[in-house]
Amino acid sequence: GAVVSQHPSWVICKSGTSVKIECRSLDFQATTMFWYRQFPKQSLMLMATSNEGSKATYEQGVEKDKFLINHASLTLSTLTVTSAHPEDSSFYICSASKGGVMNTEAFFGQGTRLTVV
Amino acid sequence: AQSVTQLGSHVSVSEGALVLLRCNYSSSVPPYLFWYVQYPNQGLQLLLKYTSAATLVKGINGFEAEFKKSETSFHLTKPSAHMSDAAEYFCAPLLNEKLTFGTGTRLTIIP
Repeated sequence: GAVVSQHPSWVICKSGTSVKIECRSLDFQATTMFWYRQFPKQSLMLMATSNEGSKATYEQGVEKDKFLINHASLTLSTLTVTSAHPEDSSFYICSASKGGVMNTEAFFGQGTRLTVV
Repeated sequence: AQSVTQLGSHVSVSEGALVLLRCNYSSSVPPYLFWYVQYPNQGLQLLLKYTSAATLVKGINGFEAEFKKSETSFHLTKPSAHMSDAAEYFCAPLLNEKLTFGTGTRLTIIP
């Protein structure tokens, strides 16, 4: 089956530093990857959609300069939280789709818990 | 506007009892619909999906859901709850080519 791996699973960083989160599709090529943010006891909010080799499409209200997304290959997308602040602390989840903008199934990573102190 | 509503942020059922988690969508065109389960500090796992084929969809772990166009619903059911079913469940229609997640329902199983 399709496996998506996120790394790291948790990270603690100091305020003002940058943190990179990786999302890899291990056994399939992901034309499109999605990044979500989930606050405690809340639903997933789509942050951006990234297509391999092109700029990510950000949802309204998401700062593209703060949340840098790179999708350099068909198996890897990265999310970099720049100049992190405590309010950026959250659970970040990626998902990958095998074909098109959204095939009939997206496969999710295990998530990354970011804590900014 | 297109949206999704999950009635009941918390549902508690006894072990062995019927599980019913509700999901209603709002869309001019019936969308593809998905149910996901999330265990604490983990990503999402697909339970089942509706893609305009059979209206009664069977998923993993004994779950199933029925698409009812007239009611714009896609409720998730399981005949007999197991302790391992305790988790957060999300309904997510595919709207404008994006998964739109409901607010989630936390399922608690009472021994």
